[in-house]
Amino acid sequence: SQELEQSPQSLIVQEGKNLTINCTSSKTLYGLYWYKQKYGEGLIFLMMLQKGGEEKSHEKITAKLDEKKQQSSLHITASQPSHAGIYLCGAELRAAGNKLTFGGGTRVLVKP
Amino acid sequence: GAVVSQHPSRVICKSGTSVKIECRSLDFQATTMFWYRQFPKQSLMLMATSNEGSKATYEQGVEKDKFLINHASLTLSTLTVTSAHPEDSSFYICSASPGTDNQPQHFGDGTRLSIL
Repeated sequence: SQELEQSPQSLIVQEGKNLTINCTSSKTLYGLYWYKQKYGEGLIFLMMLQKGGEEKSHEKITAKLDEKKQQSSLHITASQPSHAGIYLCGAELRAAGNKLTFGGGTRVLVKP
Repeated sequence: GAVVSQHPSRVICKSGTSVKIECRSLDFQATTMFWYRQFPKQSLMLMATSNEGSKATYEQGVEKDKFLINHASLTLSTLTVTSAHPEDSSFYICSASPGTDNQPQHFGDGTRLSIL
């Protein structure tokens, strides 16, 4: 979606290295959700951010939402082959209702 | 955690056939469910919002007579692709949310539709 830009489109990292994915909008992000998808499968919920400056972590994955609530990043520390997949950010671009607009996705490949 | 079940996972059928896909929330009630379409190597595109007990809300460019949505109960929404043609081949995926504050959408495993 042009309303939500996700970068990079793809990423190849060596196992053990860190990686960062960005999600940017010109509009306010009332809710920002990170999901992971394996090809041909459903989406697995990772994290939800709603407040400006918010940061959440789970295992080796950290997600942040900037103070202006227009940009989010997903950071993976010491990547492992299990981190491979497609990462998608989804955003609520309106205050009411939870309809999501998705970014283009980032394909992550972790080389052993 | 919240679980959404989608069935079938894969359909292969002839052109002109109508195909029904079911989306069920297994452990919560969902007044709203969402239907998405995903083309190869692309992101999810919202097709419609399914509202329990009322008509679905379709996104611009989505033919409501082509993609019939029924949300007859708080745990089940169905998407019927009517008179499917090869260009309808795609990956269809549904999601549901408990609807309370601070609850994310949970997704089904998707349905791969192939029209011959």
